This record gives sequence, structure tokens and C-alpha cells, in this order.
Amino acid sequence: AQTVTQSQPEMSVQEAETVTLSCTYDTSENNYYLFWYKQPPSRQMILVIRQEAYKQQNATENRFSVNFQKAAKSFSLKISDSQLGDTAMYFCAFMFDSNYQLIWGAGTKLIIKP
Amino acid sequence: KAGVTQTPRYLIKTRGQQVTLSCSPISGHRSVSWYQQTPGQGLQFLFEYFSETQRNKGNFPGRFSGRQFSNSRSEMNVSTLELGDSALYLCASSLETGGGEETQYFGPGTRLLVL
Repeated sequence: AQTVTQSQPEMSVQEAETVTLSCTYDTSENNYYLFWYKQPPSRQMILVIRQEAYKQQNATENRFSVNFQKAAKSFSLKISDSQLGDTAMYFCAFMFDSNYQLIWGAGTKLIIKP
Repeated sequence: KAGVTQTPRYLIKTRGQQVTLSCSPISGHRSVSWYQQTPGQGLQFLFEYFSETQRNKGNFPGRFSGRQFSNSRSEMNVSTLELGDSALYLCASSLETGGGEETQYFGPGTRLLVL
């Protein structure tokens, strides 16, 4: 069975610091997609970043970047210059190609302190 | 472009009743997926629809059902509600043009409380 593991239930950092959230996954498939979503207190699930497994280059979106290590099945999220608005639950998720189903990690609660 | 909309946003029901939740995808999106989020079980996949057909289904009892209409809007129904069905129900849509546009965009959710 495919699983996604987020080993950090909660993290807190000071505003403007850099923080890295960990995610590992288990699959025997070769074609898949990885995502990070954030869920602020409003409960709206917001896409942060996505990565196609066939791409070796790590995805970046402004202050957000990933470190994708396919062989190690690791997909960590780095948030640079963290802001108060980054406070949220962060979920790592995985999808097989042509499966249409997201498999989720348990989430990491990230608190940005002023 | 408007995002995914879900109605109602909040719902209170009693055990044994049934409930219908509605989801309107982003304009042009053809795939709609449903997820249940609870503190104990986290996020779990319910089902996914494309062109009015269910393509994938999660491990939920038959009390949970869904459908998709020709305009891509989707509904999910839960019959004979149980206390454990209390959850946030999230709907997501994706483009699914066949070119790998599989990224799912979520609505605000419907919070269901079963008493």
C-alpha cells in the first residue's frame, strides 16, 4: 500500500526564518506526482507546490521550494523568509499517474511567531 | 475565474438522517473528487468523477454515494448518518484534459455535524 509520512506533527519558527518540512512516501510506481498543500485556520486547502516524479529539477514557487529525492522517496518543503500568513497545517500528498486519488500525510502544524 | 464552490458550508443532522452535499467545480474542469477530513483519520479519499462516471472509489461503506452532472457539478450523499460521519467534506476539481493536468483545487468544504 502507498503511504505518506510526515514525521513532524508541529513546528514553530520566528518570522523571517527559513523552515523545512519533511515528507517521505512509499510506492513501487514510477510515474506519480507530489504536492504540498496548506490549510490555514479557515480550513481552505490551498495548493503550495507540485512536483512531477519524472522531473529531476526541484520545483520552486516564490518563497517555497522542494527538495525531491526520488531514490530516497523524500519530498521536503522549504519555506524561506517565513511570514505570519504561512501559519497553517501543511499536508504532503501523492498521486499516481491516471489514478486521480490523492494520498495524504497526517500533516505538520506550522506556527510562525512574530 | 471563480474557484470551487461547495454548499452548504455548515450542516447539522441527527443520526439516521441523510444528507446531500453539492460541489461546483472551476469552470472548464471536468474531474471532481471528494475527501473526508476528520481529526482521527485525517484526509481520506471518497470518490472521483469524470464525465458523469465514477472512475475511482475509496474505502467507504455504500452509505456514501455520489454523482456528477453533465455540467460537471457533483453531489455526494450520505444515507443513514452515523456520529462518525461528522467531518469536513472537501471537494476538489481538476482540468483533466489528458495532458497531465491532474492538480486538484479545493473548495472551502462543508462541515457536517451529526448529533
